[in-house]
Amino acid sequence: DTGVSQDPRHKITKRGQNVTFRCDPISEHNRLYWYRQTLGQGPEFLTYFQNEAQLEKSRLLSDRFSAERPKGSFSTLEIQRTEQGDSAMYLCASSSRTGGAHYGYTFGSGTRLTVV
Amino acid sequence: QQQVKQSPQSLIVQKGGISIINCAYENTAFDYFPWYQQFPGKGPALLIAIRPDVSEKKEGRFTISFNKSAKQFSLHIMDSQPGDSATYFCAASREYNQGGKLIFGQGTELSVKP
Repeated sequence: DTGVSQDPRHKITKRGQNVTFRCDPISEHNRLYWYRQTLGQGPEFLTYFQNEAQLEKSRLLSDRFSAERPKGSFSTLEIQRTEQGDSAMYLCASSSRTGGAHYGYTFGSGTRLTVV
Repeated sequence: QQQVKQSPQSLIVQKGGISIINCAYENTAFDYFPWYQQFPGKGPALLIAIRPDVSEKKEGRFTISFNKSAKQFSLHIMDSQPGDSATYFCAASREYNQGGKLIFGQGTELSVKP
């Protein structure tokens, strides 16, 4: 499988708990993006990495959110002290700078988070 | 701040008809305009994309029309099929300054009736 993999596909957690999601990009891609999508809305940009460097973070990414890409391969997104408003689909995408930032831009199937 | 506005919110088309979805943007620095298709439980998948140096791009049954002066672009789906029933998103990006960050519209839920 050469697509973007996200794990888990679904996560139900109690308010106040911490959760962590993983994204495995397409292997030759050096750019990795996180988006959040709520029901009936388009994806909203959260953050992106070029290799292991986190180059931009949205204002949507509060202090409770942290993302890492330690070796420039897979990435994790952690949400601390979850709130009901964090319930959403969290999407990961990757792309290659070769040919431009949008070359091969591919989304994973997402992790659906439900905070109860 | 909403930078890409999409309409209509939902659309019902008969099989064989033409589906038209419109988007308007505000930031004249955008230089890349893709359209994505999303099925339930899946991530968005790229359909077709255009850059502002051309006014139209066609790939199979899908065509993007781009009006730079009006800051608008639209997706036309010719000979719409029931398998086209999905949610469609327009997006915009400043590729060379923002590394590929996409700003999405609100989405259009398309239903093609047999």
